[in-house]
Amino acid sequence: AQSVTQPDIHITVSEGASLELRCNYSYGATPYLFWYVQSPGQGLQLLLKYFSGDTLVQGIKGFEAEFKRSQSSFNLRKPSVHWSDAAEYFCAVGQNYGGSQGNLIFGKGTKLSVKP
Amino acid sequence: DAGITQSPRHKVTETGTPVTLRCHQTENHRYMYWYRQDPGHGLRLIHYSYGVKDTDKGEVSDGYSVSRSKTEDFLLTLESATSSQTSVYFCAIEGDGTDTQYFGPGTRLTVL
Repeated sequence: AQSVTQPDIHITVSEGASLELRCNYSYGATPYLFWYVQSPGQGLQLLLKYFSGDTLVQGIKGFEAEFKRSQSSFNLRKPSVHWSDAAEYFCAVGQNYGGSQGNLIFGKGTKLSVKP
Repeated sequence: DAGITQSPRHKVTETGTPVTLRCHQTENHRYMYWYRQDPGHGLRLIHYSYGVKDTDKGEVSDGYSVSRSKTEDFLLTLESATSSQTSVYFCAIEGDGTDTQYFGPGTRLTVL
């Protein structure tokens, strides 16, 4: 069965520091991978996605993620965190069901706090 | 932002009452989804639709039903609300062939 693990429930970083959020997935075939961000009281916003090709993908707000098949990982990175990045981040895995993503499987999320 | 609205945005109800949540899209997308979000669980799929009158169950469908009579609307009904259904409910839409889901703003439901 598909699953997604985000090992870190809560991370605190200083503003201007680099950030890496971990995501590990379990999936038999080539997965479709996503990172979403959720600000308090808001819906989920898509940051970036990986379907195939270049394993380093760029997203919005200066985020990037790298797909590593050998490690079953899709970690999210940002070189310099801003206070506005404080939010909860969700990794998700899906598969193409001949036209749709079908059921996205989400990790439990990592809450990011940013210190001034 | 994708054209998705959810109504109501907040609702408080009592155990045993029926509740209907509405998801409305202006994107004419084929696929629509209902998820619930609970602390420590991430998002879990309740039901989804792959076209008008075409729906299927997700991971946590017990106690929920859905209907889709028009492309733009996907309704989620709790036939008899229970306290365990207190949650934040998100609707998502996906265009055919895009392989990407976009989420609405959510509905916070409290069942007393």
